[in-house]
Amino acid sequence: EDKVVQSPLSLVVHEGDTVTLNCSYEVTNFRSLLWYKQEKKAPTFLFMLTSSGIEKKSGRLSSILDKKELFSILNITATQTGDSAVYLCAVTSLNYGGSQGNLIFGKGTKLSVKP
Amino acid sequence: DSGVTQTPKHLITATGQRVTLRCSPRSGDLSVYWYQQSLDQGLQFLIQYYNGEERAKGNILERFSAQQFPDLHSELNLSSLELGDSALYFCASSVELGGTQYFGPGTRLLVL
Repeated sequence: EDKVVQSPLSLVVHEGDTVTLNCSYEVTNFRSLLWYKQEKKAPTFLFMLTSSGIEKKSGRLSSILDKKELFSILNITATQTGDSAVYLCAVTSLNYGGSQGNLIFGKGTKLSVKP
Repeated sequence: DSGVTQTPKHLITATGQRVTLRCSPRSGDLSVYWYQQSLDQGLQFLIQYYNGEERAKGNILERFSAQQFPDLHSELNLSSLELGDSALYFCASSVELGGTQYFGPGTRLLVL
């Protein structure tokens, strides 16, 4: 059965800290891995990774994928209170649901950044 | 704002009833996905449409159905509602199959 496991489930840090969120996966015919940030309602897209070893970066956030070891990390440097959210990892597989593109989500990591 | 719109934002109804949730994808997006988010299950894929055709089914109950119309908006119909159907229902869209999905603000359904 395809699955995505995120760790830790929750994390409390202080402003200015650097955090690393983990995502491991087991899927048949892996296609891509995506990171989303969910604050109050809708998940907002952060990164899509398809190639191993290539870092995607946006401001203080960065992510990398290791297709050999089947995991990804999301780094946030110099955290701010506005980074407080649930961070969701999802993968797409060619087989899931008989099509491509359907997201299989992990349970998420709840990040709380204290001032 | 992702460009995906969903109505209504909130819905309160009773067990046994039927409701319809509506989604309009981003301009130009052909693929629409429906997801259910509950506290214990997380985000679960329900069903996918591409240019009017059903392309994939996930953990969707037989009491639930959906369709995508020629103008590409989609509706998710939930019938014979049970307490356990209370959840956030998200619609997402992408330009193509397998493309990055952008999520709407969701519809919060409460079944009493």
